[in-house]
Amino acid sequence: QKEVEQNSGPLSVPEGAIASLNCTYSDRGSQSFFWYRQYSGKSPELIMSIYSNGDKEDGRFTAQLNKASQYVSLLIRDSQPSDSATYLCAVNMNTGFQKLVFGTGTRLLVSP
Amino acid sequence: SQTIHQWPATLVQPVGSPLSLECTVEGTSNPNLYWYRQAAGRGLQLLFYSVGIGQISSEVPQNLSASRPQDRQFILSSKKLLLSDSGFYLCAWDFSYNEQFFGPGTRLTVL
Repeated sequence: QKEVEQNSGPLSVPEGAIASLNCTYSDRGSQSFFWYRQYSGKSPELIMSIYSNGDKEDGRFTAQLNKASQYVSLLIRDSQPSDSATYLCAVNMNTGFQKLVFGTGTRLLVSP
Repeated sequence: SQTIHQWPATLVQPVGSPLSLECTVEGTSNPNLYWYRQAAGRGLQLLFYSVGIGQISSEVPQNLSASRPQDRQFILSSKKLLLSDSGFYLCAWDFSYNEQFFGPGTRLTVL
């Protein structure tokens, strides 16, 4: 089992729809969770962090965490073509320093 | 505000040649620094991390080495490049083990 798993996609949604990106992780002791957006040929950009169970909202983005199910998700409301990118889930594996383990990413395509 | 720089942006090198990639961070002191590699179509792999000057930890055995000669400078090196060293090399920083921020990256092609 991979430490952090994501569906590679592509996930295709029409403009204005809600995009739902999912991520599962294996280490039950993980405490910190991050979502990065990576445009083709560019470096990852941090868009959300979440540390406790529940929802965290920031503009059009909502991160959801369920530690019991070892599941973290990212919702993008009112999706725009500019949201088309690969979204990387990263989990701090609780090793005493900030070792982030990344999923391979989900490619999101938002069509006009 | 903090800024992270990497250079060069792109590099094409022959097999067996040496490598030196540089990363510098501005606007913060004593950051934790990280080197990652992203191979085509694959996830990010942590290569090295550093919590201070001269302190380097390696995550995977490989053909690469890292050094931190100054507080905000992190260097990735190789004496002899392999074809498998091709990839997108990313430097990242954080402070007090919080959110990590990435530099613009160096795209390395080994021929």
